[in-house]
Amino acid sequence: QKEVEQNSGPLSVPEGAIASLNCTYSDRGSQSFFWYRQYSGKSPELIMFIYSNGDKEDGRFTAQLNKASQYVSLLIRDSQPSDSATYLCAVNMGDYKLSFGAGTTVTVRA
Amino acid sequence: DGGITQSPKYLFRKEGQNVTLSCEQNLNHDAMYWYRQDPGQGLRLIYYSQIVNDFQKGDIAEGYSVSREKKESFPLTVTSAQKNPTAFYLCASSPVTGDYGYTFGSGTRLTVV
Repeated sequence: QKEVEQNSGPLSVPEGAIASLNCTYSDRGSQSFFWYRQYSGKSPELIMFIYSNGDKEDGRFTAQLNKASQYVSLLIRDSQPSDSATYLCAVNMGDYKLSFGAGTTVTVRA
Repeated sequence: DGGITQSPKYLFRKEGQNVTLSCEQNLNHDAMYWYRQDPGQGLRLIYYSQIVNDFQKGDIAEGYSVSREKKESFPLTVTSAQKNPTAFYLCASSPVTGDYGYTFGSGTRLTVV
């Protein structure tokens, strides 16, 4: 069983819509969760992190965490063409190492 | 500006050669990491180090070696024993106190010719 799994995508959404990305993880003891955005040919950049159950909002991005269900999600509201990228879910499995999902590629249609 | 510098950006390796990828950070982070990224497979951990002169193998360490002689530097050598080295290599760093995620370098794309 993979440690971190993401919906495989690709996900295509019209401009202005909400993009919803999902991630599940296997280690019930995980405490911190991260979303990275990676443009084609570039390195990942951190866009959100969440530690507590519930929602965390930052601009057009909302991260949602449910530790009981071992589930973390990312919502992108008012999607823009510049949001077209691969989004990586990362989970701290302890010892300061992050485990990454395979990523979900999002395409925003103008 | 603080950050992580990886060099070179592109690297070509002939069969049987060892090559070394450079990673330098000025963020004063204690921990440094090397990941490999292949299409559709996400990031896989090669080696990591939490302190100078100490490092641990990750999930795919075979065919790779590292050193950590200085806090700022964590070079990765891809040896001839690595049979499929063509990939995008990413270096990252983080504090070991607190939990702030990683900062990544810009990556090195290695191709076997």
